[in-house]
Amino acid sequence: AQKVTQAQTEISVVEKEDVTLDCVYETRDTTYYLFWYKQPPSGELVFLIRRNSFDEQNEISGRYSWNFQKSTSSFNFTITASQVVDSAVYFCALRDQAGTALIFGKGTTLSVSS
Amino acid sequence: GAGVSQSPSNKVTEKGKDVELRCDPISGHTALYWYRQSLGQGLEFLIYFQGNSAPDKSGLPSDRFSAERTGGSVSTLTIQRTQQEDSAVYLCASSLARTSGSTDTQYFGPGTRLTVL
Repeated sequence: AQKVTQAQTEISVVEKEDVTLDCVYETRDTTYYLFWYKQPPSGELVFLIRRNSFDEQNEISGRYSWNFQKSTSSFNFTITASQVVDSAVYFCALRDQAGTALIFGKGTTLSVSS
Repeated sequence: GAGVSQSPSNKVTEKGKDVELRCDPISGHTALYWYRQSLGQGLEFLIYFQGNSAPDKSGLPSDRFSAERTGGSVSTLTIQRTQQEDSAVYLCASSLARTSGSTDTQYFGPGTRLTVL
């Protein structure tokens, strides 16, 4: 069965701190896709990144970076020099090759204070 | 370009009433998904449409829930005889297709917050 675990329910940091959000997934498929979404207080889910299981290159986009490690079934997300605008709920999600739906983790609420 | 739109943004109804929630996907997107977000259950898949194929209804929680997609575009999610446990945010998403490659990335609408009194 597929499962996504985000063990950190809530994280609080002060502006300019770096923060890493953990995501551990379970799937029996060898081909699958991983995603991160951001849900700010406005409520809309905003797509951040998509990663294929066969592409283990880490990705950096501005202050955001993602570390994908198949050996530990993890797809962690790091925000460097956090800002108040980063405050949101962050969801990690998984879809296998045959599936249609995204399987979401429970989300991590990040609060960045000034 | 326009994103996924949903209406209404908020809906308050009385227990036992029927409700209809609407979703307009991104133009050109052939795949459409409904999810439900509630405090206790997190984000749950409800139903999926791809082109003219039969929908994947595997996530619908009961036969009170149904959805249709007309003309391969707009979709309506209907909940009959609403119950208090139906209170949640209903999210719609669309993607170009459901295949490998970035075409399967789902883009979400703002959601409809349903409150059943």
